[in-house]
Amino acid sequence: QVQLVQSGSELKRPGASVKVSCKPSPYSFTAFAVSWVRQAPGEGLEWMGWINTKSGDPTYAQGFSGRVVFSLDTPASTAYLQIDHLRPEDTGTYYCTRGRDCGHFSCHSDYWGQGTLVTVSS
Amino acid sequence: QSVLTQPPSVSGAPGQRVTISCTGGSSNVGANYHVHWYQQLPGTAPKLLIFRDNNRPSGVPDRFSASKSGTSASLAITGLQAEDEADYYCQTYDNNLSGFVFGPGTKVTVL
Repeated sequence: QVQLVQSGSELKRPGASVKVSCKPSPYSFTAFAVSWVRQAPGEGLEWMGWINTKSGDPTYAQGFSGRVVFSLDTPASTAYLQIDHLRPEDTGTYYCTRGRDCGHFSCHSDYWGQGTLVTVSS
Repeated sequence: QSVLTQPPSVSGAPGQRVTISCTGGSSNVGANYHVHWYQQLPGTAPKLLIFRDNNRPSGVPDRFSASKSGTSASLAITGLQAEDEADYYCQTYDNNLSGFVFGPGTKVTVL
């Protein structure tokens, strides 16, 4: 059964950084893209972007470029989301997903991680 | 503020049919980009319900169906069941944003 296992909840101060990990199994890591989705408390889903796991090329949604970085550790079959200079409005649950057709204007997420709650508060 | 519009809520009695609209414009749904639909049960991660306009992943009951026409797409749930009470989101690509976008979501309540 396909699973994407994410790292645990984080509590961070404003201005700090956070790095969320996502480890898919049991398929070949480079066979599918990884996309990231944010959900603020009580709000809807926001598409953050995706990373090509073959080339490592990231694509960021408008509004998420600048402080957000997608990266890979391919030997470890793990994807990462890093957010720098955290603000209280970054508080939310961050999901990694297995992306299908992301390079063909039809990106959709057929499997989702369990979500990682990031809380930014002083 | 999403470029896609969904009704905030719809409701129906068990066994009834409900539909959820997802209205966009010429830069997204109207440009014939595929629309996908997700179901998010309370307290859980979203789940893919429909991909590429009208395709159901394995395991999704055929009570769920979707269609698209012009600048709108819709998801239909027939034979509504209590377990269908959830939030539903549409997703597509938008030329102006040069990226993918979710609708604001629709809460389905089973009366």
